[in-house]
Amino acid sequence: AQSVTQPDIHITVSEGASLELRCNYSYGATPYLFWYVQSPGQGLQLLLKYFSGDTLVQGIKGFEAEFKRSQSSFNLRKPSVHWSDAAEYFCAVGASGGSYIPTFGRGTSLIVHP
Amino acid sequence: DGGITQSPKYLFRKEGQNVTLSCEQNLNHDAMYWYRQDPGQGLRLIYYSQIVNDFQKGDIAEGYSVSREKKESFPLTVTSAQKNPTAFYLCASSQQGGDTEAFFGQGTRLTVV
Repeated sequence: AQSVTQPDIHITVSEGASLELRCNYSYGATPYLFWYVQSPGQGLQLLLKYFSGDTLVQGIKGFEAEFKRSQSSFNLRKPSVHWSDAAEYFCAVGASGGSYIPTFGRGTSLIVHP
Repeated sequence: DGGITQSPKYLFRKEGQNVTLSCEQNLNHDAMYWYRQDPGQGLRLIYYSQIVNDFQKGDIAEGYSVSREKKESFPLTVTSAQKNPTAFYLCASSQQGGDTEAFFGQGTRLTVV
């Protein structure tokens, strides 16, 4: 079965600083990988996704993520964080064959200091 | 606009009551999901359905029930057998196949009073 690990429960950065949120997955074949963002009391919004091809994926709101097969990682990055980026971030993995049931990590809470 | 609608946004349940959370989608998606979210635990799968009139238990199905009589609708009932129902519930849908993302509703916060 697939699984996702987000090792950081909380991340605190200053506004304007760079950001990297870590995600490691476990899956036997090539996975489908996603990053979602959740504002308090809201649903999840897709930031970006990786299915195949270029391992560096661009998303909305200036985010990008890099798929590294050798490290089983899909880390999310942003070069300059804005106060509005404060939210909960979830990494997810989907199976590349058969039925698709997204499996989510526990989430990383991003705190942005002014 | 296409999307997923969950209602109500806030729901209060008395001890021993069953309550039903609504989830409707107009995205023409085959698959629908219910997740429970608790602080620090991420999203845990309760039930999912990949086709009308069929659904499967997820990781934490005990104390919950669902139905899928229409493609657009996937209501979740929290029964009195669920001993700790206070949580944030999220409904999602997707096309079949792994190369597609899940779309989420805005969630329902259920509180036991």
